[in-house]
Amino acid sequence: DSGVTQTPKHLITATGQRVTLRCSPRSGDLSVYWYQQSLDQGLQFLIQYYNGEERAKGNILERFSAQQFPDLHSELNLSSLELGDSALYFCASSVGSDYGYTFGSGTRLTVV
Amino acid sequence: AQKVTQAQTEISVVEKEDVTLDCVYETRDTTYYLFWYKQPPSGELVFLIRRNSFDEQNEISGRYSWNFQKSTSSFNFTITASQVVDSAVYFCALRNTGKLIFGQGTTLQVKP
Repeated sequence: DSGVTQTPKHLITATGQRVTLRCSPRSGDLSVYWYQQSLDQGLQFLIQYYNGEERAKGNILERFSAQQFPDLHSELNLSSLELGDSALYFCASSVGSDYGYTFGSGTRLTVV
Repeated sequence: AQKVTQAQTEISVVEKEDVTLDCVYETRDTTYYLFWYKQPPSGELVFLIRRNSFDEQNEISGRYSWNFQKSTSSFNFTITASQVVDSAVYFCALRNTGKLIFGQGTTLQVKP
């Protein structure tokens, strides 16, 4: 157990739907990062939050959004889902930007 | 531009062979961090090592060793006496303004 908890582990949904992925960071970690791992794009950075504020943005689609709550857990919202959004979504946490990263076990999203 | 290249897509070895996974990176930063992660078939990302740009000493951890050479912008990973349990996808990554930039990964298959 890495200490980073992601739920759900698996999610199957239809095109056009909206889903929410949840991440609880390791205790004491203020930064949360979201990554998407797809077969064709590899591991891509989506977005980072630090202590509730958005810190950095990567190749995140406009249909996707995220937030970090006061208790530091984070949610990644994916809407108007397309087949191409099927991927493994990872959350990682760290104390700050200059420290190591701990990854959760991921949420496997399948859009049918 | 920041970039990580893992030129070896797939490597297959027989158990007990030594194997080296290559990683070449590009960055204009003078201070940076490099990482290796392992992704076993179960899917989670397991942290292996973090190395900062000021520390060029090679590191050994059991059967694992890492060779960092700034002159060639490489951070190669060697597994000595490979075992079947080493079969996984291995990712090299570069930290850039807080987020990780991953290489495409090398799939290592160790056959008994």
